[in-house]
Amino acid sequence: QVQLQESGPGLVKPSQTLSLTCTVSGGSISSGSYYWTWIRQPAGKGLEWIGRIYTSGSTNYNPSLKSRVSISEDTSKNQFSLKLSSVTAADTAVYYCARGSPYASGTYFFDYWGQGTLVTVSS
Amino acid sequence: DIQMTQSPSSLSASVGDRVTIPCRASQSIDNCLHWYQQKPGKAPKLLIYAASSLQSGVPSRFSGSGSGTDFTLTISSLQPEDSATYFCQQSYRSPYTFGQGTKLQIK
Repeated sequence: QVQLQESGPGLVKPSQTLSLTCTVSGGSISSGSYYWTWIRQPAGKGLEWIGRIYTSGSTNYNPSLKSRVSISEDTSKNQFSLKLSSVTAADTAVYYCARGSPYASGTYFFDYWGQGTLVTVSS
Repeated sequence: DIQMTQSPSSLSASVGDRVTIPCRASQSIDNCLHWYQQKPGKAPKLLIYAASSLQSGVPSRFSGSGSGTDFTLTISSLQPEDSATYFCQQSYRSPYTFGQGTKLQIK
């Protein structure tokens, strides 16, 4: 059974960089054809796809965040990470990591999620 | 970006009712539409993928239909544990977008 767990600071000051790590157990992030993904959800609001890293190491980001976001992987620790720079209060949200699983049409769905971690941007 | 619209934002139904939750895409997305259930304080849970395929372990009272721009999640006989918010999500084109959700309450 694949499990994902987010970790990182729950409080970040404005203009600083938000850094989160997702630790994956029950499967290797470097095997299969999965997209390891970050998604966020402001309180009481909908879900926003942040970006993904493929097993090859290639990345895709949401254009709305592209200038500030970076996703990387550490295969030796079976982890992938999110960095979001120059944060403001608008970046306050629950951040989820998730696994994207491909299916027949070449697209994919999110079948495993972490429990989520609340990050508050405040001085 | 492809906009996903879910309306109504909330609805109320009784145990045993048949419930339908709609989702509309701003352009055709073929069958690249997935449904998630989210309960308070929890991560979303995949229910339906590719518009109509039931995820393993999900009760058979859940079903999905549609293609192109209009999709529907159906609960054939509502149970108390189905009280949750339901989101649709498209994976036709990046950035992958979600609907704003429909909150389902049990009367």
